[in-house]
Amino acid sequence: EVQLVESGGGLVQPGGSLRLSCAASGFTLISYALSWVRQAPGKGLEWVSTISDSGRNTYYADSVKGRFTISRDNSKNTLYLQMDTLRADDTAVYYCARHSASYCSSPICKNWFDPWGQGTLVTVSS
Amino acid sequence: EIVMTQSPATLSVSPGERATLSCRASQSINSNLAWYQQKYGQAPRLLIFGASTRATGIPARFGGSGSGTEFTLTISSLQSEDFAVYYCLQYDNWPPFTFGQGTKLEIK
Repeated sequence: EVQLVESGGGLVQPGGSLRLSCAASGFTLISYALSWVRQAPGKGLEWVSTISDSGRNTYYADSVKGRFTISRDNSKNTLYLQMDTLRADDTAVYYCARHSASYCSSPICKNWFDPWGQGTLVTVSS
Repeated sequence: EIVMTQSPATLSVSPGERATLSCRASQSINSNLAWYQQKYGQAPRLLIFGASTRATGIPARFGGSGSGTEFTLTISSLQSEDFAVYYCLQYDNWPPFTFGQGTKLEIK
């Protein structure tokens, strides 16, 4: 069974840092691009970041560019999101999601997200 | 950036009736559109990709149509478990991937 499990969420003060993890199982991680998508309380879905299957290419939403860093360790079947200089408006449930197609990670590839993890809550507050 | 606009924001429908949800793109996205269902406290669940192809295990009462800029998700004969929030996602031109703001389907 393909499964993604996020961890690392919690309460952090504004300006602080947090690192999220997403453990993958049931598929060969290196074959797929992966993304983080977040959802603020009571709000809709917002794409945050994508990393290619190899890890060489990364993409970010303008709202997090320069503050968040996406990475992956294919040997550990794990995706990460390092979040620095956190702000109150970063408060959200953060989901990791696998892209739909294997061996095709560039923006030329038309990938949707499936499956998703269950999410981890990040709260930025003093 | 492609802006996705869903309508209506809230749709009230009786069980057993048909629901029609709309999603509009600010420019053509061909058929590169997915629909997701999200229930309270749960992760989004893929329903439709390629504008009209049902994902594995999705009941036939869920149907998607459209191409270019106008898309529709139709749920025929609503079941109690279908009342949720529905999102469309464009994956034609990224980054960024963009979602619609969601349609809440509620019981009438």
